[in-house]
Order: sequence, then C-alpha cells, then structure tokens
Amino acid sequence: QKEVEQDPGPLSVPEGAIVSLNCTYSNSAFQYFMWYRQYSRKGPELLMYTYSSGNKEDGRFTAQVDKSSKYISLFIRDSQPSDSATYLCAMSGADKLIFGTGTRLQVFP
Amino acid sequence: DGGITQSPKYLFRKEGQNVTLSCEQNLNHDAMYWYRQDPGQGLRLIYYSQIVNDFQKGDIAEGYSVSREKKESFPLTVTSAQKNPTAFYLCASSIDRGPYNEQFFGPGTRLTVL
Repeated sequence: QKEVEQDPGPLSVPEGAIVSLNCTYSNSAFQYFMWYRQYSRKGPELLMYTYSSGNKEDGRFTAQVDKSSKYISLFIRDSQPSDSATYLCAMSGADKLIFGTGTRLQVFP
Repeated sequence: DGGITQSPKYLFRKEGQNVTLSCEQNLNHDAMYWYRQDPGQGLRLIYYSQIVNDFQKGDIAEGYSVSREKKESFPLTVTSAQKNPTAFYLCASSIDRGPYNEQFFGPGTRLTVL
C-alpha cells in the first residue's frame, strides 16, 4: 500500500463548478498537509498547507484535513479555466515530502 | 529575484551517455531535492541533501548520482546505468523547518533519450 493515495482523475468540470480533490494516507505521524498546483510543463507551486486536523480557507480554495480518517481534501469554489492544472497533495515526513500521484483538472468555459 | 533555476529546459541524450542536469538556488535554503516525474506516477524522490557535502538516497536513486559542494548548487548526473531515463526532472529546495517542509520547485528539465 502506498503511503499516499490520490484519485488520478482526470476531472473535467464546467466553469463555476465546485471541485473536490482528495487524498488518503496511511502514516498517522504526518502533521503537515499541503496542496501543490502544477501547470503543464512547469514546476509545482505551493497552494495551501494545513497543520493537523481542521479547515483552512484562502479565497476560493479550502483545504480540509480529517486525521481520524486519514483523509484530506481541497475544495475549489467557482472554478475558473485558469484553475486547469494538476493538483498534488503532499504530506510532511521527518525530512522529506511524500507526494500523491496528482489529479489532473480541466475547467472548461 | 530569488528562486531556483534549472538548465537546460530540454535535453536530448543518446543511449549509453552520462548527462548532468543543473540546479541552482539563491534562496539561501539548506536542503535541496531531486525528483523524477512520469505520467501517472507523481513525484518520485531521487536524492536529497540537507547540508553541504552530505546527501541521501531517495526512493529511486539507482542510476543517478549527485554532489553538493556548494549550498547553492545540487547537480544531478543521469548515468548510463539508468534503464529508463526519459522523464521530467524537478529540483526543489527548502528551509529546514523541522516537520514543516515547504519545498520550492524549479521549472524542470525534460530529458529525452534517443
């Protein structure tokens, strides 16, 4: 079993839709949970991070962590074509990040 | 501007040749990382270094080598022993913040073996 599992997608939604991206993990020692966004042929960039369980909101983006279920989510409200990218979840281990495989999102006008 | 640079952006290599990918950062970060990205497989860690003159193998180190002679630089050599080197290679760096490990990525190098 992989340490981090992520729905691969691809996910195709119309502009304005609410998008839900999810990851599960197996290591209960993870404390920091991150979402990176990667545009095509570019390096990933950090979108949001959360510590332990709970929600964190930043504009149209909400990150949610449920440590009891070992489940994290990223919600995108009012999705835009500019949100089309691959979204990678990541968990902070002792000295490195463990990444999910990424979910490719396409938002069409 | 602070950031991470990788060069070249595209690289073509013949089978049997070694090739070195460059990664430089001016963020004054202690730690640097090399990842390989293949379609459907996410980011896989090749090597990482938390301090100058020291580095550790990641999950897929076979066929790769690195050096860390300067804080700013962490070059990756893809050797002829790497069976399937065609991939997108990403370099990253981070401040050592204990359990919180925000990594900043370079733009990547796409290596194609002909």
